[in-house]
Amino acid sequence: EAGVVQSPRYKIIEKKQPVAFWCNPISGHNTLYWYRQNLGQGPELLIRYENEEAVDDSQLPKDRFSAERLKGVDSTLKIQPAELGDSAVYLCASSLAKDWGSTGEQFFGPGTRLTVL
Amino acid sequence: AQSVTQLDSQVPVFEEAPVELRCNYSSSVSVYLFWYVQYPNQGLQLLLKYLSGSTLVKGINGFEAEFNKSQTSFHLRKPSVHISDTAEYFCAVRSTNAGKSTFGDGTTLTVKP
Repeated sequence: EAGVVQSPRYKIIEKKQPVAFWCNPISGHNTLYWYRQNLGQGPELLIRYENEEAVDDSQLPKDRFSAERLKGVDSTLKIQPAELGDSAVYLCASSLAKDWGSTGEQFFGPGTRLTVL
Repeated sequence: AQSVTQLDSQVPVFEEAPVELRCNYSSSVSVYLFWYVQYPNQGLQLLLKYLSGSTLVKGINGFEAEFNKSQTSFHLRKPSVHISDTAEYFCAVRSTNAGKSTFGDGTTLTVKP
């Protein structure tokens, strides 16, 4: 079974440029997460989807970040415009069960390492 | 609110020695607890999890962890480490009534020959 797929794996851009990351979760997983992992820190949740609905986007900087999961399968995270402080690894994860009242074990993709110059 | 503190940012050990990676958490509600491993340039992989029942849980690659409710700890242990265990280890908590997981800042385990 294929795991969570993310692309690109690496991206280098200049500040003020836009950038987009793509994630394809494990087949059948209805919950999808986007995390940001700064150097030397653990992942921090940006947004969580249940199917196509964003159920938790409280930590998403909405002035420059946007995400979509139109058909409840794959998802795109966009930053426009990028700032120096956005340099990080962006991780996508998926899980089978709904979070509430369940364990919701998450399966992580390899991440996209973004460098903003 | 919940938080996770991993008490050691770096743990160097020699091959075949035992190791303990410490994790303390804070939460006002019941939680599930997890340990993840992250190898260089890879995503996180679940090592083990505590949901309920026995406080000693066993995971993959010979790791185990013990949930201590009174001390709000979930320390990870392995009796004999290998070079291949060199990686970043993350402790995470999730409340049983909500979906958000909180991760610690990680512990870098370096196994020396």
